[in-house]
Amino acid sequence: TQLLEQSPQFLSIQEGENLTVYCNSSSVFSSLQWYRQEPGEGPVLLVTVVTGGEVKKLKRLTFQFGDARKDSSLHITAAQPGDTGLYLCAGWFGNEKLTFGTGTRLTIIP
Amino acid sequence: DTGVSQDPRHKITKRGQNVTFRCDPISEHNRLYWYRQTLGQGPEFLTYFQNEAQLEKSRLLSDRFSAERPKGSFSTLEIQRTEQGDSAMYLCASSLGDNQPQHFGDGTRLSIL
Repeated sequence: TQLLEQSPQFLSIQEGENLTVYCNSSSVFSSLQWYRQEPGEGPVLLVTVVTGGEVKKLKRLTFQFGDARKDSSLHITAAQPGDTGLYLCAGWFGNEKLTFGTGTRLTIIP
Repeated sequence: DTGVSQDPRHKITKRGQNVTFRCDPISEHNRLYWYRQTLGQGPEFLTYFQNEAQLEKSRLLSDRFSAERPKGSFSTLEIQRTEQGDSAMYLCASSLGDNQPQHFGDGTRLSIL
């Protein structure tokens, strides 16, 4: 069974600060996705990374895929209250089933 | 709106009752997935369809659960003889194919009294 561990589980920071959340697995991903989910809504896809070492930017969000394709990070610069939400990584491990991580619940304090 | 839609958004029922949820995927998507999400956790895979064929079922899907996608378009998920442990958010997602981005609906929140 493939497991995706995310850390930290909870993070609460002041507006304007920077933060990084992590997604780790003991198995190699064929590709990995990051989602954000708000209460009462379904997850919304932010990015897909495929190549080891790949870096993608989405405004103030920077996503990095580890060289060995077993880990990923999400860095947010100058966090804003609108960034509040549950951040989920999800990986394809070569089979046809997407496996989700445990999630990081982020709260940005105005 | 051409996204994934789920109905109902909320369902409250007594233990032992049967419930059925519906999912309408994005029209050109041939893959349809069902997930269950409990509070504070990521979604857990339940089952998925390629067109009308159900290709995989998780061990989480007990024999009280059944899913169909009769015409390869919308899907239904039925839970028979509901138990309190069935209380969760049930999410549906669709995609164009294998390893393609999945687009989620807003889920059906099930509460068992």
